[in-house]
Amino acid sequence: QVQLVESGGGVVQPGRSLRLSCVVSGVIFSSFDMHWVRQAPGKGLEWVAVVRHDGSNKEYAESVKGRFTISRDNAKNTLFLQMSSLRTEDTAFYYCARGKHFLAVPWDNWFAPWGQGTQVTVSS
Amino acid sequence: DIQMTQSPSSLSASVGDRVTITCRAGQTIRTYLNWYQQKPGKAPKLLIYTASSLQGGVPSRFSASGSGTDFTLTISSLQPEDFATYYCQQSYSTPYTFGQGTKLEIK
Repeated sequence: QVQLVESGGGVVQPGRSLRLSCVVSGVIFSSFDMHWVRQAPGKGLEWVAVVRHDGSNKEYAESVKGRFTISRDNAKNTLFLQMSSLRTEDTAFYYCARGKHFLAVPWDNWFAPWGQGTQVTVSS
Repeated sequence: DIQMTQSPSSLSASVGDRVTITCRAGQTIRTYLNWYQQKPGKAPKLLIYTASSLQGGVPSRFSASGSGTDFTLTISSLQPEDFATYYCQQSYSTPYTFGQGTKLEIK
């Protein structure tokens, strides 16, 4: 059974940094793309970033580009999101989610399963 | 960015009802459309991928169709556990955008 467990959330002041982690088990981690998706309080879902299975390619939402960095350690089955220059509008629940297998067609970019999420609150 | 628009934003229905939720893309996304269910305090769960393929373990009362820009999710006979918020998501190109959600409530 695939499991994703996020950690690293918390309360942080605007302008500061935070690093989220997501440990994945029950799957060959290095075979799958991985994503971060967030949800602001009472709002909908917003895709944040993707890192391809081998770490070779990363893409970001415009709202976080230049401030957030997605990365992965395939030897430790762990996904990361380094968040810098945090803003109040970054306050959200952050989910990691498994993406497509590296052999899948390029457009099979659905998210399953998801972790339970970790709360990030940016406030002075 | 590809804008995704769901309708309605909220819906009241009764157990046993048949309900349909619509999702429209701002440009053609072929069949690269996915549907998720989210219950309060829980992570989203994939229901449907590539417009009409049922994810493993999802009850057969859920079905979906569409291509190009217009898509639908149908629940054939609502069960108590189906009351939740539903999101569509396009997987055609980054950023992978979601619809704003449809909250399905008990009448």
